[in-house]
Amino acid sequence: QQQVKQSPQSLIVQKGGISIINCAYENTAFDYFPWYQQFPGKGPALLIAIRPDVSEKKEGRFTISFNKSAKQFSLHIMDSQPGDSATYFCAATVSGAGSYQLTFGKGTKLSVIP
Amino acid sequence: NAGVMQNPRHLVRRRGQEARLRCSPMKGHSHVYWYRQLPEEGLKFMVYLQKENIIDESGMPKERFSAEFPKEGPSILRIQQVVRGDSAAYFCASSPPPVRETQYFGPGTRLLVL
Repeated sequence: QQQVKQSPQSLIVQKGGISIINCAYENTAFDYFPWYQQFPGKGPALLIAIRPDVSEKKEGRFTISFNKSAKQFSLHIMDSQPGDSATYFCAATVSGAGSYQLTFGKGTKLSVIP
Repeated sequence: NAGVMQNPRHLVRRRGQEARLRCSPMKGHSHVYWYRQLPEEGLKFMVYLQKENIIDESGMPKERFSAEFPKEGPSILRIQQVVRGDSAAYFCASSPPPVRETQYFGPGTRLLVL
């Protein structure tokens, strides 16, 4: 089964610090890698996404780094705030393959403490 | 522009009853995906539909589960003869053509089977 492995399971960061969440994948056909943010009782919200033709993408305080040869990608949250406390999921899919089903990591629960 | 809508938000059923979950995609989106999230787990793909067509149901359990997306009206995920193991959050996502990998999620339906 195609897998996306996410780490760490939980993360505690001081306010103003950098939060880093890592994901690794197996299927080299994956070509779209989104990150989702989920608050308790809510649906996942699309945060930022990257394709393998770039090594980094930045949107505000959120940055995705992508290492195609290592089959790894990571989310960096700069200047982390208590409002960033949520569960973050990485995902991957093969676009243009007919299904577009997202394969998700198991999630990282981020707590940003004041 | 309203987001993906799901109802009911919470559903309680006794073992053996039927559960019907509804999903209305975002305006202009013609592709719908259903995912299931077990407690403390990531989301698992179930089924991908277009209007009047099931494109990929590889993640659906073989028995008791069915899905449809009629020409008019919302997409329906139907679970017959529910069992306690069906208790989970069920999320619907929709995507705009042609960028089907960019999926926007609804708030989910939390199903509890007693």
